[in-house]
Amino acid sequence: SAVISQKPSRDICQRGTSLTIQCQVDSQVTMMFWYRQQPGQSLTLIATANQGSEATYESGFVIDKFPISRPNLTFSTLTVSNMSPEDSSIYLCSASRTGDHNEQFFGPGTRLTVL
Amino acid sequence: QKEVEQDPGPLSVPEGAIVSLNCTYSNSAFQYFMWYRQYSRKGPELLMYTYSSGNKEDGRFTAQVDKSSKYISLFIRDSQPSDSATYLCAMSKNTGNQFYFGTGTSLTVIP
Repeated sequence: SAVISQKPSRDICQRGTSLTIQCQVDSQVTMMFWYRQQPGQSLTLIATANQGSEATYESGFVIDKFPISRPNLTFSTLTVSNMSPEDSSIYLCSASRTGDHNEQFFGPGTRLTVL
Repeated sequence: QKEVEQDPGPLSVPEGAIVSLNCTYSNSAFQYFMWYRQYSRKGPELLMYTYSSGNKEDGRFTAQVDKSSKYISLFIRDSQPSDSATYLCAMSKNTGNQFYFGTGTSLTVIP
């Protein structure tokens, strides 16, 4: 398994500002993902963070709004840019390794409130 | 139509009851089926993992997959208050592919 930590665990931000969320894995992983989880909604994949190259974004999510970095095999960041109240959500980082029976390990999440 | 449908509940049962949680899906390409448990203010953790159709048992938990009906289930026997959580089904087409999640079913087991 892999242990994933996220910082910050929660934040309250003002409209128009940006927040960067950090995700740290305790061991090397093949793939890292960023999800958004809103109340009563399923987990929505924002993007796959690719090590050494640009992230792969899902439909409805763009790099200008959610820039992602992945400088190595254990760390990734997600920035929520120019925030609005609609961005209030829980943001989850997950990771998987080749051969780990398709398991994704999740971080505890970052609870974001935008005023 | 959503890829994965899951009744959000909430579901409330007495301690010791058998719990049945279900998901349906529309894409016949899904081959990997997972159940995650998520406690309040925590990230999801993998409970059960099944490839293709069939049953899988792990302690008090049994996962069933019926690909012909596009229907998966998670059974919890002798439910405990510590089982109170949100249960999410997830599925994917292949290893390393995108996961598609249900909305989650909120379960409360009453002592």
